[in-house]
Order: sequence, then structure tokens, then C-alpha cells
Amino acid sequence: DAKTTQPTSMDCAEGRAANLPCNHSTISGNEYVYWYRQIHSQGPQYIIHGLKNNETNEMASLIITEDRKSSTLILPHATLRDTAVYYCIVRAGGTSYGKLTFGQGTILTVHP
Amino acid sequence: NAGVTQTPKFQVLKTGQSMTLQCAQDMNHNSMYWYRQDPGMGLRLIYYSASEGTTDKGEVPNGYNVSRLNKREFSLRLESAAPSQTSVYFCASSASSASYEQYFGPGTRLTVT
Repeated sequence: DAKTTQPTSMDCAEGRAANLPCNHSTISGNEYVYWYRQIHSQGPQYIIHGLKNNETNEMASLIITEDRKSSTLILPHATLRDTAVYYCIVRAGGTSYGKLTFGQGTILTVHP
Repeated sequence: NAGVTQTPKFQVLKTGQSMTLQCAQDMNHNSMYWYRQDPGMGLRLIYYSASEGTTDKGEVPNGYNVSRLNKREFSLRLESAAPSQTSVYFCASSASSASYEQYFGPGTRLTVT
């Protein structure tokens, strides 16, 4: 599985867009990019995933560069409840079982 | 839709005691997982069940047993608790065993003294 690199921490003002980058320069053609977050004392929460096209759901947008070596998770209007650790995970589809491996992630702090 | 539920939320055990952590999902998912999360260690997979009737070991299965009771329920048993099993335990489910789109429960915080 491709290694990912994320900034250790980021700040964002409430109501503004939070843009969280992830570098995955060794990604293979069959590997997806997944984003999860973990709010303090809660279980991890699935946010979004994509292969090469940009994706959007009710929580966030995922922008993947054309060469697929990096991606950005966008929370369009961050709220205080979005303060969490955000994890970017790269995994190939169709493997034997869906074991998740979280790296260090990015601590996002949303300020009033 | 409750999603994934876990009981209990908190538990304190003495060394050598046994207990069962319960997990249920109402999303009609085929696959279920048990993870533990220790400070600074990230998630580690204990056991998983790819489908009803099957269970397999993950990374750290020693000291644990599991039962996939039916499609909805997946329990984790500690037969003889040890202080090293003090952790937060998360249950998760996904539509299939190849899916990384997993949905987690709120966790059980277990302390073994």
C-alpha cells in the first residue's frame, strides 16, 4: 500500500473552507484514496473516497490531482464540530480483507 | 438507523476476570471487525468476520475470542483479562470484506487493573 504524508496540524476559522492535503506519490493505479476522521473520544468516521475523479458528498469534497500523487479533502464550511484528526488512507480495492491502517493524520482545529 | 452499537460503553475488570463486548449493526452489512486503539498506536485489528459464519484473526488476536452470532451481531470475548488489554475497543462493519468504507461504533473503554 502506498505511503501517505499529511501535515501534523492545521487551523481553520469557523465558516471558512478547510483544505486538508495528502501526499501519496507512490500510489498505484488500482489504489483508492480514503478519508476518515476521529473526533475526540469517538469512533472513526468514514468521510469519502475516490479513485481518480473528484468526489463530493454531503460531508466533503475530495480533489485528486491528475497524476494522482496528491489529494485534498475540502470541508466547505467548517464548524467547531469538525475539530478532529483527519486520516488519509490509500488502499487497493479487492484485497483479502478491509483492514484499516491509520497513520498520524492531521489534527484540524476549527476556531470561532 | 442506529448504525453500529456497542455495549458496554465503559468497563473496569480485575486481572483474570472475563467479559464479552457486544456489537450490533443494522445496515445489513456482511463484514464486521473488532479493533483496539491504544494511545499513540493507532487502530489494530483483532478479529474480523468477512461474512456470517466466518471469523478470522487480525493482527493482535491473542487473548481474545469472537463469535459472529448472526448477520447483525459480532461479539468479542476476553477469557482472562490482563492489564495489557486496557484499551478502547471499536467494532466496525462494511458491506463486504474488500471494502474500506467502514462504519464504526462509539467504542468500549476497558480498564483492567
